[in-house]
Amino acid sequence: TQLLEQSPQFLSIQEGENLTVYCNSSSVFSSLQWYRQEPGEGPVLLVTVVTGGEVKKLKRLTFQFGDARKDSSLHITAAQPGDTGLYLCAGRAPGTYKYIFGTGTRLKVLA
Amino acid sequence: GAVVSQHPSRVICKSGTSVKIECRSLDFQATTMFWYRQFPKQSLMLMATSNEGSKATYEQGVEKDKFLINHASLTLSTLTVTSAHPEDSSFYICSARGQGDFPNEQFFGPGTRLTVL
Repeated sequence: TQLLEQSPQFLSIQEGENLTVYCNSSSVFSSLQWYRQEPGEGPVLLVTVVTGGEVKKLKRLTFQFGDARKDSSLHITAAQPGDTGLYLCAGRAPGTYKYIFGTGTRLKVLA
Repeated sequence: GAVVSQHPSRVICKSGTSVKIECRSLDFQATTMFWYRQFPKQSLMLMATSNEGSKATYEQGVEKDKFLINHASLTLSTLTVTSAHPEDSSFYICSARGQGDFPNEQFFGPGTRLTVL
C-alpha cells in the first residue's frame, strides 16, 4: 500500500513568515499534485509536478519534486492569512490514473 | 472548463435508508471518475475508481455491496450508500480524470456532506 506522509500535521504562523511542508513516501509516483482545501469544499489543484527534481513556482509558492519521485515539498514565502487552509499532496501510482492523498497539513496564518 | 458538479451538496437521512450521490462532468467527457471519503480533520481516502461502461474498482476495505457505483455515461457517475448508518456520515467527494491536454489531472467536485441520524 502506498502511503504519503505529510509534515508538519499542523502549523500556525504569523503573517510574513516562511514555511515548508513536506510530503514523503517510500514509493515512486508518476506525478505528484498539491491541493488546497477550504472547509466544506472540494480540493483545488495548485500544481502538478512530473519530472524528478522539477521545481515549479506559483507566485509565493514553490513546489519541488524529489529526484527519485518519492517526495515533494511546498514552500510558502511571506505567508498571508489567505493562505490558511488544508494542504494536501497526492501521488499518482505508476501505471494507473489513481491518486493517493497525503495525510494533510493544516495551516493557519495569523494576521 | 473542466467543471465537475455533485448533487446533492448536503443530505441528511435516517439510519437504514439508501442515499444516492451524483457526480457530473459538465463540459468534458470522463471515462474515469474517482470517489473519495473525507472524515472531519482528515485527508481524502480513495474509495473506488469508477469506469464508464464497466465495473468499479474498489480499494481495500471498502464494501462494494454497501457503496454501489454506477458509471452509465461519459458524464455521470453515481455513488449509492445502501442501508446507511451513522458511521457512514462523512464528506464524499468525486473527481473526474481529465482528457485531451490534461489526461493526468483530476478535477474535483464540490463534495457532498452526508449525515446519517
